[in-house]
Amino acid sequence: AQSVAQPEDQVNVAEGNPLTVKCTYSVSGNPYLFWYVQYPNRGLQFLLKYITGDNLVKGSYGFEAEFNKSQTSFHLKKPSALVSDSALYFCAVRDNSGGYQKVTFGTGTKLQVIP
Amino acid sequence: GAGVSQSPSNKVTEKGKDVELRCDPISGHTALYWYRQSLGQGLEFLIYFQGNSAPDKSGLPSDRFSAERTGGSVSTLTIQRTQQEDSAVYLCASSLPRTGGREKLFFGSGTQLSVL
Repeated sequence: AQSVAQPEDQVNVAEGNPLTVKCTYSVSGNPYLFWYVQYPNRGLQFLLKYITGDNLVKGSYGFEAEFNKSQTSFHLKKPSALVSDSALYFCAVRDNSGGYQKVTFGTGTKLQVIP
Repeated sequence: GAGVSQSPSNKVTEKGKDVELRCDPISGHTALYWYRQSLGQGLEFLIYFQGNSAPDKSGLPSDRFSAERTGGSVSTLTIQRTQQEDSAVYLCASSLPRTGGREKLFFGSGTQLSVL
């Protein structure tokens, strides 16, 4: 079985400060990892993904995420937060061990960037 | 091009009634998912269709829930004898079937279901 944990329901950060949204995962094989964002009154949008290769992946809107296999983590980061980054962020995982596997999402983390 | 389309956008029903929620995926996307989003519950997986393969129904919470996908395109999620705990936003997503499942999901705007 695969699962994703987002330990923080909410993260508050001051505008201009670096931000981190945490995610850990569990799969039986190797993971494909994703971050999605849900802005208020808007649908879920893809942000970035890790498939293979470099552990640091870059995505939309200046976000990046670091894959750490030993810690089974895929934390989302941004060097300087904007008020417009305030949204609900979801981490997701898919086991790439073969076949057609479902995508499992975490419970989401609300990011609040304070002006 | 059109994105994933869901209808209705809002549905209010009485407890015990049946409801049908529709999803029209992006053309050419053979993978289709249903998720449920409740306050504080994140995105709960319901069911996954991939081409002609047998669907993964492991997330359906009870036998009151069922889903079909006709002709590999449009999908309908049916909830029978609705209960108040079924109130949530039901999200549909589709994706291309690239090898290994590395493709991203495209989400619809969802159906807000309220059971009174």
